[in-house]
Amino acid sequence: GENVEQHPSTLSVQEGDSAVIKCTYSDSASNYFPWYKQELGKRPQLIIDIRSNVGEKKDQRIAVTLNKTAKHFSLHITETQPEDSAVYFCAASSYSSASKIIFGSGTRLSIRP
Amino acid sequence: NAGVTQTPKFQVLKTGQSMTLQCAQDMNHEYMSWYRQDPGMGLRLIHYSVGAGITDQGEVPNGYNVSRSTTEDFPLRLLSAAPSQTSVYFCASFQGNGNTIYFGEGSWLTVV
Repeated sequence: GENVEQHPSTLSVQEGDSAVIKCTYSDSASNYFPWYKQELGKRPQLIIDIRSNVGEKKDQRIAVTLNKTAKHFSLHITETQPEDSAVYFCAASSYSSASKIIFGSGTRLSIRP
Repeated sequence: NAGVTQTPKFQVLKTGQSMTLQCAQDMNHEYMSWYRQDPGMGLRLIHYSVGAGITDQGEVPNGYNVSRSTTEDFPLRLLSAAPSQTSVYFCASFQGNGNTIYFGEGSWLTVV
């Protein structure tokens, strides 16, 4: 089955700087890679996703890149703001494993004022 | 459109008691899942379902049962609660690969 590894587990950056979170996956058939943000005490919510036919996707200050050959994908947050402080989760799925979504272990991002 | 609704939000159980966490979705999603999240930890898959009458085990299924008699409902049963089951439980639903996963608000369970 799919295995997703996420690094780092914690990340502290100065407000205004960039943050990068990386995930690797094991199943070469995976074709969908979402990122979820979970604020303290809240439910995880989708912030951006990418499909395997695309190498990069941007949405304002966040972007996701995908390297299918190396089987890794990354979340990039630029010009970080206090409201970016949260736990971020990655996931990978394929048509055959779509029902069994396995998430990475999460990254706790803290933005220092 | 309420999305994914979980009840109860908070529950304290004594060791050995049983209980059911309720989950309902009104988006007509085929796929539903239960995750647990321990403090400072990630989301671990307990059980999942690909449609009414079909369920399967996830990463950490021991001590839990599920059923899916309708598309809308996916209850999670704790058979004999143990302190190790103290956690936050999230129900989720989605329409298949490549679609957004919608989570419920979570159920905070403490077993004493």
